[in-house]
Amino acid sequence: KAGVTQTPRYLIKTRGQQVTLSCSPISGHRSVSWYQQTPGQGLQFLFEYFSETQRNKGNFPGRFSGRQFSNSRSEMNVSTLELGDSALYLCASSLKSRGYEQYFGPGTRLTVT
Amino acid sequence: AQTVTQSQPEMSVQEAETVTLSCTYDTSESDYYLFWYKQPPSRQMILVIRQEAYKQQNATENRFSVNFQKAAKSFSLKISDSQLGDAAMYFCAYRSARGNEKLTFGTGTRLTIIP
Repeated sequence: KAGVTQTPRYLIKTRGQQVTLSCSPISGHRSVSWYQQTPGQGLQFLFEYFSETQRNKGNFPGRFSGRQFSNSRSEMNVSTLELGDSALYLCASSLKSRGYEQYFGPGTRLTVT
Repeated sequence: AQTVTQSQPEMSVQEAETVTLSCTYDTSESDYYLFWYKQPPSRQMILVIRQEAYKQQNATENRFSVNFQKAAKSFSLKISDSQLGDAAMYFCAYRSARGNEKLTFGTGTRLTIIP
């Protein structure tokens, strides 16, 4: 079974631009979570989607948003990019929303200049 | 709010030896899950082992085992017969059992394997 895939793997954007990252979960998985990883703040939870509904959101500004499609694929969007948004963005999927392990994708490395 | 603390930023171990990584957490909940994730230099986060808080028996996966002390809120990872491929960042993570998928991570321990 194919793992979690994320596209693109690397991205360079300029301050003020917006960006959309994509995540395809493992086949059959319905829950998708997003995390931001930076050297300074570590791994921080962004949000989680289950059956196209956002179930939980971390402490990030409204510039960070996401959605999930009927096939469980998910996208996250960051508008008005800031230098501090440079990070590795990780997506994780799990079979259901309770008690199941999360499997991570390889991440998207976003650099904001 | 739950917190996870990994007090060892870096650890090293000789190949074939045993190493223990420490993790403590703080929570007011009684039902939760604990995980150890491994992130090699390639950056793909891999689940190493998980522990349900309601289980008294410590989880084991091949060379990896945990020492789960619920009262002390401690969750250490023991790696036996260390191999070069074990070199990575190891993250301890907590998740509530109340249907919340959010993982709360520790700051990680970088493990180096000495040949």
